[in-house]
Amino acid sequence: AQTVTQSQPEMSVQEAETVTLSCTYDTSESDYYLFWYKQPPSRQMILVIRQEAYKQQNATENRFSVNFQKAAKSFSLKISDSQLGDAAMYFCAYRLSGNTPLVFGKGTRLSVIA
Amino acid sequence: SQTIHQWPATLVQPVGSPLSLECTVEGTSNPNLYWYRQAAGRGLQLLFYSVGIGQISSEVPQNLSASRPQDRQFILSSKKLLLSDSGFYLCAWSVPWASGSPDTQYFGPGTRLTVL
Repeated sequence: AQTVTQSQPEMSVQEAETVTLSCTYDTSESDYYLFWYKQPPSRQMILVIRQEAYKQQNATENRFSVNFQKAAKSFSLKISDSQLGDAAMYFCAYRLSGNTPLVFGKGTRLSVIA
Repeated sequence: SQTIHQWPATLVQPVGSPLSLECTVEGTSNPNLYWYRQAAGRGLQLLFYSVGIGQISSEVPQNLSASRPQDRQFILSSKKLLLSDSGFYLCAWSVPWASGSPDTQYFGPGTRLTVL
C-alpha cells in the first residue's frame, strides 16, 4: 500500500524567511501525482502546488516551490518570504494515475513568527 | 467556475441519532466525489468515493454509508451515530480521470460534527 510520511509534526519560521517542509512517500509505481495542500484555521483544504511524476522540472507557484526527488521518493515544499497568512497545517498527498483516491500524510503545522 | 457546497456547517447530535450530510458541486458534470473525515489533530481519512451516480466505493468499514442520488450530489449518512463519529467531514470533487490528468481534488468548507 502507498504511504505518505511527513516527519515534522510542527515547524516554525520567521516572517520573510524561508522554510522547507519534508515529505516522503512509498510506491512501486512510476506514474503518479503529488500534491501539497494547506489547511488554515478555517479548516478548508486549499491546493498549494502539484507535481506530475513524469515531469523532471520542479513545480513552482509564486512563493511556493517543490524539490521533487523521484529516485529518493521525496517531495519537499519550500515557502519563500514567509507571510503570517502562511500559518496553517500543510498536508502532502499522493495518488496514482486513474480513478484512485488521494493518500495523505499526517500533516505539518507551520507557525509564522512576526 | 466550479463551486462545492456542504451543509450543515456545524452539527451537534446525540449518540444513536441518525446523520445526513450533504455535498453538492456546481459548474461541472460527472465529477468524481469524495468524503473524508478528519479527527481532531489528525490527518484526513478517506471514507467513500464515487465515480458516477450510484457507484460508491467504501474505504473504511464502519456505521457510515454514502449515496449519490444525482450527478453532483453526494450524501453521507448514518442510522445510529457513535461517539467516535465526531470529527470534521470534508467533501471533495475532481474532474473525471483522463490520461495525463493530475485529477486534482478540490475541497468543500467542511462540516464539524460533534456527537455527545
